[in-house]
Amino acid sequence: DAMVIQNPRYQVTQFGKPVTLSCSQTLNHNVMYWYQQKSSQAPKLLFHYYDKDFNNEADTPDNFQSRRPNTSFCFLDIRSPGLGDAAMYLCATSRDPGTGEQYFGAGTRLSVL
Amino acid sequence: AQSVTQLGSHVSVSEGALVLLRCNYSSSVPPYLFWYVQYPNQGLQLLLKYTSAATLVKGINDFEAEFKKSETSFHLTKPSAHMSDAAEYFCAVSVTGTASKLTFGTGTRLQVTL
Repeated sequence: DAMVIQNPRYQVTQFGKPVTLSCSQTLNHNVMYWYQQKSSQAPKLLFHYYDKDFNNEADTPDNFQSRRPNTSFCFLDIRSPGLGDAAMYLCATSRDPGTGEQYFGAGTRLSVL
Repeated sequence: AQSVTQLGSHVSVSEGALVLLRCNYSSSVPPYLFWYVQYPNQGLQLLLKYTSAATLVKGINDFEAEFKKSETSFHLTKPSAHMSDAAEYFCAVSVTGTASKLTFGTGTRLQVTL
């Protein structure tokens, strides 16, 4: 089945130690998104790629970076994780132009010690 | 800009009872509307979507929602709740021309009791 896969499902890192989260898709969608979701909150969009064009949300901290080497893969890099960055990180894809329907991966739960 | 308001952060129903989760939207152009469900430690799964076709939309697991333009609402219903329906539900809106960005509501946690 076509899908969005996030690895790893659970990631533990140390305060200040760089960490990379991975997302891959077999849907061949041109748009990929990264969201941060904290407990009992809605997902918060960090940035998205429209093909190779990177679109950062205005309030996304510089500590968060992203790479999209090809259509299928997208990475979230957190350069110096703080305790406040502990959250669920969700990757999603969509086809644009379209209805805006997004397909989500299962997420990566990040813990910062 | 579009927005979504979900009334009630927590809803509790008995197993077998009607489920009603409320969502109101604001948009200056015809919107696309979605309901997503999230189980603990999982991603978001699409329940159903309104894309300007039929106003009554049927989704998975017997959920349905009705788009009411006059009330700017898109409430989610299910005739008979099941224990497995306990989860977080998010209403979302998108508008074409914005690179398919979704605006989410704050979510409603559904609890199902025996």
